[in-house]
Amino acid sequence: KNEVEQSPQNLTAQEGEFITINCSYSVGISALHWLQQHPGGGIVSLFMLSSGKKKHGRLIATINIQEKHSSLHITASHPRDSAVYICAVSPNTGNQFYFGTGTSLTVIP
Amino acid sequence: GAGVSQSPRYKVAKRGQDVALRCDPISGHVSLFWYQQALGQGPEFLTYFQNEAQLDKSGLPSDRFFAERPEGSVSTLKIQRTQQEDSAVYLCASSLSTPYGYTFGSGTRLTVV
Repeated sequence: KNEVEQSPQNLTAQEGEFITINCSYSVGISALHWLQQHPGGGIVSLFMLSSGKKKHGRLIATINIQEKHSSLHITASHPRDSAVYICAVSPNTGNQFYFGTGTSLTVIP
Repeated sequence: GAGVSQSPRYKVAKRGQDVALRCDPISGHVSLFWYQQALGQGPEFLTYFQNEAQLDKSGLPSDRFFAERPEGSVSTLKIQRTQQEDSAVYLCASSLSTPYGYTFGSGTRLTVV
């Protein structure tokens, strides 16, 4: 049973392309997180959302609570954006996160 | 410190060896989680502490895994008699008190040979 589904699993883009990664979830949540993981395992928290839209530099995250769906967009992609992007949700009940399996992004110069 | 610190960053263990992984959460953070991430997979929940109390250990895969947080700050994840399937990145995350505002450590990559 996967509470969080991400798509695509793998994504290759040319430098400069606009990128979208999608996340759907099946539980009631208090927040949704987008995380970035570089080779070696370190995780960086990009966004935490409970509604609407957030923007940080070239990254934009949106969430539709009614549809239980979130998207992460990267504008003007760059090779340094290459990483695994993980969607995680904090459910309304319980104490733990549920994680998606991640989207592996490779941006080619 | 400014963030969640995990050590060692990398650990290679021979099969059957015991290992101890350390997590230093952000000072004052009440909640602390351990996650296991196998290669190509998303993180899987292992255990959760609120201060020194281990409130949920349902994700620990076997009795070879043991976690403690005796003073409600630093936590140690111990794996006894390591097996190859224990090879993974072990992530620690801490939070003030709620599911909001988690900070992740950089993880410890364990390789069992």
